[in-house]
Formats: sequence, structure tokens, C-alpha cells
Amino acid sequence: KAGVTQTPRYLIKTRGQQVTLSCSPISGHRSVSWYQQTPGQGLQFLFEYFSETQRNKGNFPGRFSGRQFSNSRSEMNVSTLELGDSALYLCASSPSSGAGGEAFFGQGTRLTVV
Amino acid sequence: AQSVAQPEDQVNVAEGNPLTVKCTYSVSGNPYLFWYAQYPNRGLQFLLKYITGDNLVKGSYGFEAEFNKSQTSFHLKKPSALVSDSAWYFCAVMGRRALTFGSGTRLQVQP
Repeated sequence: KAGVTQTPRYLIKTRGQQVTLSCSPISGHRSVSWYQQTPGQGLQFLFEYFSETQRNKGNFPGRFSGRQFSNSRSEMNVSTLELGDSALYLCASSPSSGAGGEAFFGQGTRLTVV
Repeated sequence: AQSVAQPEDQVNVAEGNPLTVKCTYSVSGNPYLFWYAQYPNRGLQFLLKYITGDNLVKGSYGFEAEFNKSQTSFHLKKPSALVSDSAWYFCAVMGRRALTFGSGTRLQVQP
């Protein structure tokens, strides 16, 4: 069974630009969550989608948005990039939404904002 | 709000020796606890979880964790460390559809 696939693996963007990251979950998984990992703040929850609906959102500004398609693939968008957005963005998929189920993570997209 | 704390930034252990990576938690209600490992240039790999039941949870790669409700701890253990176990380890608690992670502990296993 293929794992969680994130594309691209690496990105370099300029301040003020926008970026879209993609995540393909494990086949059959309907929940996709996004996390940001930085050396200073650690791993922080961005949002979770289940059946194309955002179920939960972390404490990030509105510049961070996402969506989920009918095939459960998800995209995350960051507009008006800031230097502080440089991070590893991790996507995780789960069979269902809610407590108790382990999340399976992709390798991440390393975003560098210059 | 739920939280987890990993009091050690780094743990050093010799290959073949037992290892322990510490985690304490703070939640209201029953905790759903997880351990993940992160190897260089890799995402997070699920090791094990505690939902309910036995306090000793066995997971992947020979790891296990001991849930202690009175001490609100969920320490990760392995009887005999391998050099390949060297990685970052993250404890997490599941809240409302989101994982809250600890700050992580870097495990270094010396040959």
C-alpha cells in the first residue's frame, strides 16, 4: 500500500509570493491533517479535512488555507509569504476523523522563503 | 487544553543498553497518547499508541511505552538500543481531531 505522498519535496519562494502544497493520502483514508514544523515552534497543527470539509483549524493566520478534493487529496495554500513561513510542512492521513486513530505522515515539503 | 512535555532535549545511550525517553501529559478526560520517530529527512513514523487497556503498550521496531496514570507519564522504552534508533522522538496527545506534540527528544545511540 502506498504511503502518504507530498509534493513537491522542496520549494524556494520569495517573500510576498504564494505557494500551494499537495498531499495524497493513503488509499482509503478520508482524513487529512496538515502540520508545520519549525525549530523554534516545533510541530503545530494547521487544519484537518475530512470528506472535503474542514473539521478543525489551528491558530494560524488566514493566509494559510486548504482544501480537500473528492478523492481525498488535499492542498494547502499560503499567500503573501513571510520569512517566518519557512518550515517543513507535514501532511498526515487517517482512516477516519477523531480521537484514537494513528496518523500516517508523509515526508514533508521543505519550504524556504527568501 | 491538552499538552505534553518532554523534559529532555537529548538522550545519549550506548548500543545494547536500555533506553528511556520521557513524556508527561496534561489532559482532561482520558488521554489518547502517541509516540512518533523522525529520522533525518523523513516525516514522522508512528511507533505506538495508548487508548485504553494495558498500561504497557508494545509498538514497532521493538519499542514499548508505559502508561502511568498517577504520574501522568507515558515514557518510551526499548530494552536494547541500536545505532539505527538514533532519531528525534515526539510524544503526542490527541485532542479534538488534532495531535498536540511535545518539543521532541533527540536520541543518540553510540556504537
